[in-house]
Amino acid sequence: GAGVSQSPRYKVAKRGQDVALRCDPISGHVSLFWYQQALGQGPEFLTYFQNEAQLDKSGLPSDRFFAERPEGSVSTLKIQRTQQEDSAVYLCASSLLGRDRHREQYFGPGTRLTVT
Amino acid sequence: AQSVSQHNHHVILSEAASLELGCNYSYGGTVNLFWYVQYPGQHLQLLLKYFSGDPLVKGIKGFEAEFIKSKFSFNLRKPSVQWSDTAEYFCAVNAGSSASKIIFGSGTRLSIRP
Repeated sequence: GAGVSQSPRYKVAKRGQDVALRCDPISGHVSLFWYQQALGQGPEFLTYFQNEAQLDKSGLPSDRFFAERPEGSVSTLKIQRTQQEDSAVYLCASSLLGRDRHREQYFGPGTRLTVT
Repeated sequence: AQSVSQHNHHVILSEAASLELGCNYSYGGTVNLFWYVQYPGQHLQLLLKYFSGDPLVKGIKGFEAEFIKSKFSFNLRKPSVQWSDTAEYFCAVNAGSSASKIIFGSGTRLSIRP
């Protein structure tokens, strides 16, 4: 079946512009995660949804970052007034919600955001 | 705060050499541990995982990892590497009350000389 998809794959924004990044999780996956991966670093957690509920947004770096998943499927990560330090690869992952904590996450290809 | 340390930033080996990549984490409670791999131009893929039971975990492509609780370590091993193992390897932990998030290490770039 299809994996996690993300669009666009590449985005160039001028500083101060708003951007919206889309994630289509694997069908039936209840949990959805966003990560930010800076060059040469490992992914860093941004936020987590269970269905449409945003249960953890502790990793969002500022109030310019906003994520939503209104129908419990597709999710959008929005960054307002982009800054150069926002340049990174934004990864989306999804997982089945099991009865225990064993949640294997499946990652999408990422969106590479470059802010000029 | 939870953290994951990968001590080797870049490892260069010849084909057929043995591999061991170090990973240490900081968390005193129950953990789930992962190794992810990112081949050039591809997305992150799960290599292997430890949740409970036998601390020696076998994954895909001949990789294995050993969970040593007393050392807070989860080192990745492969007895004989191939050129196709060239990739970035990330150790990760899912721990404690934050069962949702995964904390990643900074990664180890593995280059295999043919």
